Amino acid sequence: TQLLEQSPQFLSIQEGENLTVYCNSSSVFSSLQWYRQEPGEGPVLLVTVVTGGEVKKLKRLTFQFGDARKDSSLHITAAQPGDTGLYLCAGDSGSARQLTFGSGTQLTVLP
Amino acid sequence: GAVVSQHPSRVICKSGTSVKIECRSLDFQATTMFWYRQFPKQSLMLMATSNEGSKATYEQGVEKDKFLINHASLTLSTLTVTSAHPEDSSFYICSADTGIDTQYFGPGTRLTVL
Repeated sequence: TQLLEQSPQFLSIQEGENLTVYCNSSSVFSSLQWYRQEPGEGPVLLVTVVTGGEVKKLKRLTFQFGDARKDSSLHITAAQPGDTGLYLCAGDSGSARQLTFGSGTQLTVLP
Repeated sequence: GAVVSQHPSRVICKSGTSVKIECRSLDFQATTMFWYRQFPKQSLMLMATSNEGSKATYEQGVEKDKFLINHASLTLSTLTVTSAHPEDSSFYICSADTGIDTQYFGPGTRLTVL
């Protein structure tokens, strides 16, 4: 069974601070996706990383895929209250196109 | 991005009744759809993989006779929770595979069994 561990599980910060969320596994993934989910809604895709070492930026969000394609990180610069939500990483092993989800990071950005 | 809808968005039912949840891909065809359940403050747990025109593949521990899945067309998959009990209360989410390494998720269905 492939496992994706996310850390931290909970994070509460002040507006304007920076933060990093980590997603680690002992398994190799063909691609890895990051989602943000708000209460009572489905996850919304933020980015897909495919190539080892790849870095993608989405405004104040920077996503990195590890060289070995086993881990990933999400860095948010100058966090805003609108960034509050549950951040989920999900790995695609390529088998049956199933996603393995990480445990999630609940981010709260205080004004 | 691609749009996936779910209906109903929330449902309350009595114990022992059956509930059907629909998942539709609105602007693309999906040969594969997935069903997840999510408990409060937890991550998504895959229940089953739904393939158009064939039987669903269930994850270990998921009762296929309790959670009936039908994927009759390339844009519609249904999940029926049969003889629902309070422990089945959860947030059920579907996703549809675009076929290009990306899944798009529906908005979820909140099921409450009294």
